[in-house]
Amino acid sequence: KAGVTQTPRYLIKTRGQQVTLSCSPISGHRSVSWYQQTPGQGLQFLFEYFSETQRNKGNFPGRFSGRQFSNSRSEMNVSTLELGDSALYLCASSRITGGGGTDTQYFGPGTRLTVL
Amino acid sequence: KNEVEQSPQNLTAQEGEFITINCSYSVGISALHWLQQHPGGGIVSLFMLSSGKKKHGRLIATINIQEKHSSLHITASHPRDSAVYICAVLIFGNEKLTFGTGTRLTIIP
Repeated sequence: KAGVTQTPRYLIKTRGQQVTLSCSPISGHRSVSWYQQTPGQGLQFLFEYFSETQRNKGNFPGRFSGRQFSNSRSEMNVSTLELGDSALYLCASSRITGGGGTDTQYFGPGTRLTVL
Repeated sequence: KNEVEQSPQNLTAQEGEFITINCSYSVGISALHWLQQHPGGGIVSLFMLSSGKKKHGRLIATINIQEKHSSLHITASHPRDSAVYICAVLIFGNEKLTFGTGTRLTIIP
């Protein structure tokens, strides 16, 4: 079974731009969670989508948004990029919902975003 | 104060040593996860626990709900175990994983 894939793997943007990251979950998994990892804050939960609905959201500004498609693929968007948005963005899929905590999570390789 | 605390922050050991990494939390939880992150960023889920003990190969994870504490043990450690180990909890009534800051483990041949 193919693992979780994320595209692109690396991205460089400038302040003020917007970016869209993509995540394809393991086949049959309906939950996709997104996380931000920075050296200062560590790993933080962004949001979770299950069956095309946002189920949970972390403490991030409205510039961070996402969606999920009928095939469970998910995208996250960050608008009006700030320097502090530079981070590794990870997605993870699981069979069932629950903020990523009630079922084994399978992580993708991440997208490393650099904002200049 | 962080809701999830890990210790030690850094650990260096010789190959073959028995390793223990600790995770303490201050809130009621419904599940606890141990994750492994190798250089380059990839994260692998090692265990999900809500009670007792789980074992997979040389790795053992235990949790004591009353004491709000979990440990990850590695027996016969090997250089390939070098990674950052992260504890994460699902807090009751809050369906969002909350992460510890991680323990960086280095195993020297």
